[in-house]
Amino acid sequence: GAGVSQSPSNKVTEKGKDVELRCDPISGHTALYWYRQSLGQGLEFLIYFQGNSAPDKSGLPSDRFSAERTGGSVSTLTIQRTQQEDSAVYLCASSRLNSPLHFGNGTRLTVT
Amino acid sequence: AQSVTQLGSHVSVSEGALVLLRCNYSSSVPPYLFWYVQYPNQGLQLLLKYTTGATLVKGINGFEAEFKKSETSFHLTKPSAHMSDAAEYFCAVTKGSGGGADGLTFGKGTHLIIQP
Repeated sequence: GAGVSQSPSNKVTEKGKDVELRCDPISGHTALYWYRQSLGQGLEFLIYFQGNSAPDKSGLPSDRFSAERTGGSVSTLTIQRTQQEDSAVYLCASSRLNSPLHFGNGTRLTVT
Repeated sequence: AQSVTQLGSHVSVSEGALVLLRCNYSSSVPPYLFWYVQYPNQGLQLLLKYTTGATLVKGINGFEAEFKKSETSFHLTKPSAHMSDAAEYFCAVTKGSGGGADGLTFGKGTHLIIQP
């Protein structure tokens, strides 16, 4: 069956521009997560959704970052006024309740 | 609070040799532990997990890990390395059985290099 799909796979943007990253979770997975993977830093938790609500936004690094999920399915991570330090791979994962996470292939964001 | 420490950002072994990737955790409650593998330009794939029961856990591709509570460790091993094992490996801990509000806390990863 289809896995977690993320788009675009690569995004190059100029400093100061806004970007939107999309995640299509596995059908039926109620939980959705965003992580950021920077070189040498491992995976940094950003935000978690259960259905359409986000009970845990503690990992969002600044108010330039926001995320939404609609219809209990697709999620969009938005970064406003991008900075060079935002360059990273952004990974999305989904799961059923109390089941292991399934990850997408990520979006590699480069801010020039 | 939970945390994961992976000793060695890079580990190099010869093809056919034993693979040992170290992971130590801290958790205020009995942990659930995971190993994920990431191949180049791909997402993370679950290798194996420990929730309850038998402390020696077998996963895919011949990997296994042993939960040692007294040592707060969950080291990953494979008896004989293959070239295809070259990847980034992440250890993770959670209070829940896989995710949910407890989320996953990841280590910083270990890059496994296989020498021919």
